[in-house]
Amino acid sequence: DTGVSQDPRHKITKRGQNVTFRCDPISEHNRLYWYRQTLGQGPEFLTYFQNEAQLEKSRLLSDRFSAERPKGSFSTLEIQRTEQGDSAMYLCASRKGTELNEKLFFGSGTQLSVL
Amino acid sequence: GEDVEQSLFLSVREGDSSVINCTYTDSSSTYLYWYKQEPGAGLQLLTYIFSNMDMKQDQRLTVLLNKKDKHLSLRIADTQTGDSAIYFCAESIPKTPLVFGKGTRLSVIA
Repeated sequence: DTGVSQDPRHKITKRGQNVTFRCDPISEHNRLYWYRQTLGQGPEFLTYFQNEAQLEKSRLLSDRFSAERPKGSFSTLEIQRTEQGDSAMYLCASRKGTELNEKLFFGSGTQLSVL
Repeated sequence: GEDVEQSLFLSVREGDSSVINCTYTDSSSTYLYWYKQEPGAGLQLLTYIFSNMDMKQDQRLTVLLNKKDKHLSLRIADTQTGDSAIYFCAESIPKTPLVFGKGTRLSVIA
């Protein structure tokens, strides 16, 4: 078990393009979270899943953002029609869903640059 | 509401102790966490404390919690250059995702 894995590590795209990021959580973790981090800020919650169910998505930043976890294992985060303001680090985290203690384990993130 | 505040910068000399402070607003917090982030990396969980405790020690790390004042601190003893990073405080509130502060950038001067 190598922890939470995110791919790619870096993504450079032109404004208006669509991008998709992948996250592979720790294998026995059934909860998976997406956060966004901009320069000088802490992580900002976007959405999370319990198994394949998306339990909270109201904090996705706009309808250009969507996330899936079709088989309850890996997840993807898609941003359509990217804008320069989408440039940020996108972090994925996972945890066991059965614990009261919300110890989140983070991946290394995907750094998105929109030109 | 949920809000976590931290001072943005701290500079210490190698070998000294570092104290990073955090305040939070939600009295229903169950656990409070400290995470460390090195440049270009994700967040690494350092330690945490349950809200009914007032102190937790883990090797060079000491966490102090003043629940009345909603104040959390992280003390790093014998600070080393490898401790240079951004430290985030986070609170866990039932049925909501973790809320993070903006982070404190710790610089250790050799």
